[in-house]
Amino acid sequence: AQSVTQLDSQVPVFEEAPVELRCNYSSSVSVYLFWYVQYPNQGLQLLLKYLSGSTLVESINGFEAEFNKSQTSFHLRKPSVHISDTAEYFCAVRTIIQGAQKLVFGQGTRLTINP
Amino acid sequence: DTGVSQDPRHKITKRGQNVTFRCDPISEHNRLYWYRQTLGQGPEFLTYFQNEAQLEKSRLLSDRFSAERPKGSFSTLEIQRTEQGDSAMYLCASSLWDRDRGNEQFFGPGTRLTVL
Repeated sequence: AQSVTQLDSQVPVFEEAPVELRCNYSSSVSVYLFWYVQYPNQGLQLLLKYLSGSTLVESINGFEAEFNKSQTSFHLRKPSVHISDTAEYFCAVRTIIQGAQKLVFGQGTRLTINP
Repeated sequence: DTGVSQDPRHKITKRGQNVTFRCDPISEHNRLYWYRQTLGQGPEFLTYFQNEAQLEKSRLLSDRFSAERPKGSFSTLEIQRTEQGDSAMYLCASSLWDRDRGNEQFFGPGTRLTVL
């Protein structure tokens, strides 16, 4: 079975400050890794994903995440946050097994940006 | 809008009543998923369909829950004899098999169920 742990339930930061949202996972098999974002009153949207190749993946709005296999982590970072980044962020994994489809999510991290 | 849609967006019901939710996936997507999200938690997988076949069900899906996708297009999730513990956001997602994209799942806005 897989599990995902997001170590911080809430992260308050000031605008233009850097931020890191932590994600660790547990799995006995290889996984794909995802970060989803949920803006207030909206559905989940895919922010970025790691499938294979370069361990550093980037989103179009300045977020990046690095897959660290030895530490089983996939932390999300942004060097300078904006008010519009206020949202809940979910880390998720899916096993690389033929037929496996379900996403296993962490508990979520609420990012609050203060002016 | 060609995204995943869910109806209704909100449902308030009394304990013991039956409720049914509908999900319309992105039109060309052959896979459809249901998740449940309770307050302060991440979504939890309930079940998924490939076309009209229900291929996996979570242990969370008790015998009071039933999901269908009769023609491989829209899906319904029915909860019979609702309990207060069923109060949650019910999320639907769809995907198109694409190994290179990791079968990216696109989520709908959810149906928020409140059982009084």
